[in-house]
Amino acid sequence: GDSVTQMEGPVTLSEEAFLTINCTYTATGYPSLFWYVQYPGEGLQLLLKATKADDKGSNKGFEATYRKETTSFHLEKGSVQVSDSAVYFCALSDPMFSGGYNKLIFGAGTRLAVHP
Amino acid sequence: KAGVTQTPRYLIKTRGQQVTLSCSPISGHRSVSWYQQTPGQGLQFLFEYFSETQRNKGNFPGRFSGRQFSNSRSEMNVSTLELGDSALYLCASSLVAGDRDYSGANVLTFGAGSRLTVL
Repeated sequence: GDSVTQMEGPVTLSEEAFLTINCTYTATGYPSLFWYVQYPGEGLQLLLKATKADDKGSNKGFEATYRKETTSFHLEKGSVQVSDSAVYFCALSDPMFSGGYNKLIFGAGTRLAVHP
Repeated sequence: KAGVTQTPRYLIKTRGQQVTLSCSPISGHRSVSWYQQTPGQGLQFLFEYFSETQRNKGNFPGRFSGRQFSNSRSEMNVSTLELGDSALYLCASSLVAGDRDYSGANVLTFGAGSRLTVL
């Protein structure tokens, strides 16, 4: 079945450091890919998305490129801030497998801690 | 516009009891999905409702059920609570179900969740 694998955390960085969080996926069909972020005590917020191969999603300085050849969707940011400290989830929707676009399959999440 | 509203935010129950959680989607959104978040299993899909009909269901026992009302508000119910049901239950709403939205990929908007503790 479909699955998403993320690098384990926590990831600890100093402010202004470069961030990469790895995400790979297995899917039956042609999935859409997402990154969601969860701040302490809150629900999930969509960070960015990509719907087809070679698409690049971007938002708030974060970027991720849909790589079909490597089945990856790694999250990157050139210069992190303390306010980026949160848990990041990679996810996919694969309607060919799941029967609908609103069923997301999530990775385990990666906790990011940014220190001043 | 108002976001997805979940109530209650926190609740404590004992084993064997039942619980009902409520979700009010963003105005105009007709699809409501529910997810369970636990430290051990992560985020798992429970079910999705659209136009008062269950459209999709995850791999959970029959103790977990839900419904949707004509105003798109949704409730989920867990009967005969077990310790393992302790979790953050997240509700998400979307404009459509089953088809891609205008952006090419359905975007789910999540609520802050209802944190259930079973003692």
